[in-house]
Formats: sequence, C-alpha cells, structure tokens
Amino acid sequence: DTGVSQDPRHKITKRGQNVTFRCDPISEHNRLYWYRQTLGQGPEFLTYFQNEAQLEKSRLLSDRFSAERPKGSFSTLEIQRTEQGDSAMYLCASSSNDQDQGAVDTQYFGPGTRLTVL
Amino acid sequence: AQKITQTQPGMFVQEKEAVTLDCTYDTSDPSYGLFWYKQPSSGEMIFLIYQGSYDQQNATEGRYSLNFQKARKSANLVISASQLGDSAMYFCAMREHSGGYQKVTFGIGTKLQVIP
Repeated sequence: DTGVSQDPRHKITKRGQNVTFRCDPISEHNRLYWYRQTLGQGPEFLTYFQNEAQLEKSRLLSDRFSAERPKGSFSTLEIQRTEQGDSAMYLCASSSNDQDQGAVDTQYFGPGTRLTVL
Repeated sequence: AQKITQTQPGMFVQEKEAVTLDCTYDTSDPSYGLFWYKQPSSGEMIFLIYQGSYDQQNATEGRYSLNFQKARKSANLVISASQLGDSAMYFCAMREHSGGYQKVTFGIGTKLQVIP
C-alpha cells in the first residue's frame, strides 16, 4: 500500500530560478491538492484537481505559480522566478470522492518538499 | 474571523497520562467535517481522526478520541495513555462543503511534548 509521494524532498535554489515539484497521489484517488506551509503555521491551500481538471486556485497562487495534472495521475507544481518569500514546505495531498461507498473524503498527505530560496 | 482556532501553542504531558488539545471552529455551513492531523518533525501530515457534523457519536480511533460539542463549535482531541512518539505538532482542520468543492482549512497547530 503506497501512500502519497513527493519529489524532491528538499530543494535549495537561488532567487530568480525556476523550480518544479512532483506529486504522485495514492493510485485510486481522483482528487489532488497542493498546500504551502510556512514556519509556525498550518498548511494553506493552493490549488485542487479533480482528475485532470484544476477546479480551484487560491489567491495565494500568484502568476509565478502553475500546477498541472495532465493525465489525472501525478501532478507538478512549478514556481517561476523564485523569491525568498517562496521558501516553505510544499505539501501534496490526495483523496477519493467515491460517493457510492460513502467514503469520507479524507486527504492523505505526502512527506512534502522543503524549498529554500537563497 | 479565524475559521479554526487552536489556542494552545504548546502542551506538555507526562508519559502514560491523557491530554486534551483544544480546537474551536467557525462556519455557517450546516455540513462540514473536522479532522485532526499529526505532524512529526519529519514533516509528513498524518491523518488521525475525523468527525462529521451530522455524526451522532464522538469519533474514536485507538488512543485518539474527538470530543465534539457542536453547540459550542469545539472539536477537542483527546489522546489517552500518551507515548513518547506522540511528541509532534497537532493540527485541527475543517472541511466545508459549500460550492461543491471541499476546501480544508487548518489551524496553526499545537506542539505536544511527552515527558518521560
């Protein structure tokens, strides 16, 4: 039983560089979420996919941020022209909305990617 | 207004004792769910327990129980028989169903330290 995986686990970059993170959700999950967590705070929602469709984006997601889930499986989050304020833990979560089984739509999280922008 | 409020930045508990972590929430949505997650120093968010707004009984999962008081809008986590491995950050979260999209909002967390 594999959980949510994220790659890389750590990324150090210089200001102005582009970075891309990958998330592989639990295989049967059709919903995928990205969150950002800064020190001393809880995770803040960034964006949400149902299958390949991006259904919701937070105001936190500036034009420099883009997320994709092209085949409804893995997802990527790209940050262009990184700034020091982008330094944070980026968390991915997945869930299933299988209504027929009445399953609780619990989000299961990956280990996160810790980004440091120098 | 804060949707999720956790007023205890840090808590200490003696090993084998029980501890209660407080959480209050604010929503006008009649249908919502409340979650507790554990985040060890490694960073991964671990799902602990869920309570739906229409559930009649308080949720329990092993040593974890959720003291759900709907009228007071509180959803406190009770950990019984604390273990050293319980030392971590604990986040309360709420899922609201409005608009068909299930957005989850997290509190700022409580750091629990279990003392041997």
